[in-house]
Amino acid sequence: GQNIDQPTEMTATEGAIVQINCTYQTSGFNGLFWYQQHAGEAPTFLSYNVLDGLEEKGRFSSFLSRSKGYSYLLLKELQMKDSASYLCAVDDYKLSFGAGTTVTVRA
Amino acid sequence: DTAVSQTPKYLVTQMGNDKSIKCEQNLGHDTMYWYKQDSKKFLKIMFSYNNKELIINETVPNRFSPKSPDKAHLNLHINSLELGDSAVYFCASSPERGHTEAFFGQGTRLTVV
Repeated sequence: GQNIDQPTEMTATEGAIVQINCTYQTSGFNGLFWYQQHAGEAPTFLSYNVLDGLEEKGRFSSFLSRSKGYSYLLLKELQMKDSASYLCAVDDYKLSFGAGTTVTVRA
Repeated sequence: DTAVSQTPKYLVTQMGNDKSIKCEQNLGHDTMYWYKQDSKKFLKIMFSYNNKELIINETVPNRFSPKSPDKAHLNLHINSLELGDSAVYFCASSPERGHTEAFFGQGTRLTVV
């Protein structure tokens, strides 16, 4: 089966940095995705890691360690519009999602 | 042009009714999915089709029946609706099986009363 864990909620201040951790134990692994979902909207793709290391994309970076079954999403220079749910998803010929981390950015 | 579109966006219906949700993608993708997102926001896969062929069928009651007339369409029919079916249903597509960056439709909020 699939076991994907991430914190339920995080709060940070505008301009700060927040790191969302994700640990996984899955029967297969073809890569790890991070999605952003604003309330009442569809999830949208943020990042994809298949090899160990850091992938940087503007203010967002994602890290993967396959041996540790661990990933994190780093959000820098937080903006109010970054308040959303962030979903960690493991690719095993389908996307299996964690429960999501709700990030609240305060002024 | 909406890449993955599903209709309707909202659906309110009574217990016991039968309803359908339609999904279409214009991305030329081979693989399509149905996901269910419950009140706790947990997104769980229900079905996956690759080139009109069913490849994933998670433990979903057989009241739920997906139909894929062609690889651009994946519809979801639900018989004998129950209160517990209330959720947001997302359709998604990805380029191919094994390349699973998924593009999601806007969701259908189903409320069973």
